[in-house]
Amino acid sequence: EPEVTQTPSHQVTQMGQEVILRCVPISNHLYFYWYRQILGQKVEFLVSFYNNEISEKSEIFDDQFSVERPDGSNFTLKIRSTKLEDSAMYFCASGQGVGTQYFGPGTRLLVL
Amino acid sequence: DAKTTQPPSMDCAEGRAANLPCNHSTISGNEYVYWYRQIHSQGPQYIIHGLKNNETNEMASLIITEDRKSSTLILPHATLRDTAVYYCIVSRISSGSARQLTFGSGTQLTVLP
Repeated sequence: EPEVTQTPSHQVTQMGQEVILRCVPISNHLYFYWYRQILGQKVEFLVSFYNNEISEKSEIFDDQFSVERPDGSNFTLKIRSTKLEDSAMYFCASGQGVGTQYFGPGTRLLVL
Repeated sequence: DAKTTQPPSMDCAEGRAANLPCNHSTISGNEYVYWYRQIHSQGPQYIIHGLKNNETNEMASLIITEDRKSSTLILPHATLRDTAVYYCIVSRISSGSARQLTFGSGTQLTVLP
């Protein structure tokens, strides 16, 4: 069964550094999402992407964040200058049509 | 999207049916009810969704009341691997727009041996 994959599974970085989190959505899906979950807290929506542009974004998704679909298979989340509070699990999700989303296993980001 | 209310925790004996309730009294006519679960810190896993009819798949059944103000997710024969946080989410499907899912605190289901 096709799955969303994410790399790396863990990332440790220094505050102020740039990180790129990578996702390979399910191949025939058209809708792409990033969510994050700070330890012990709820899953929070960051951004959604459709037709090569951002569809929705939350207040968390400020100018430090960007998303890109550089080719036909990858979907990336870049954090330009990481802060301590960016430490979280980041989940990528994709969907074939409107509605159901399929999530990847996540990238655990630790900012020191 | 309409807000949902779920009990914070429930226990279920292994092999028995787990019935997880959800209230969504402000649901609109074009909003679907989705159920996801999250096992430990893994990515949320889609379970099932419905609009107004009851739905069943290989994982679970979804019972939506006639007035659509509440629903129940049924895991017919719970196993230890079903221990997870279960989220009931109401979301409007919008063609051509990737709509977010809004996760609440969910229900922590613990399946006991």
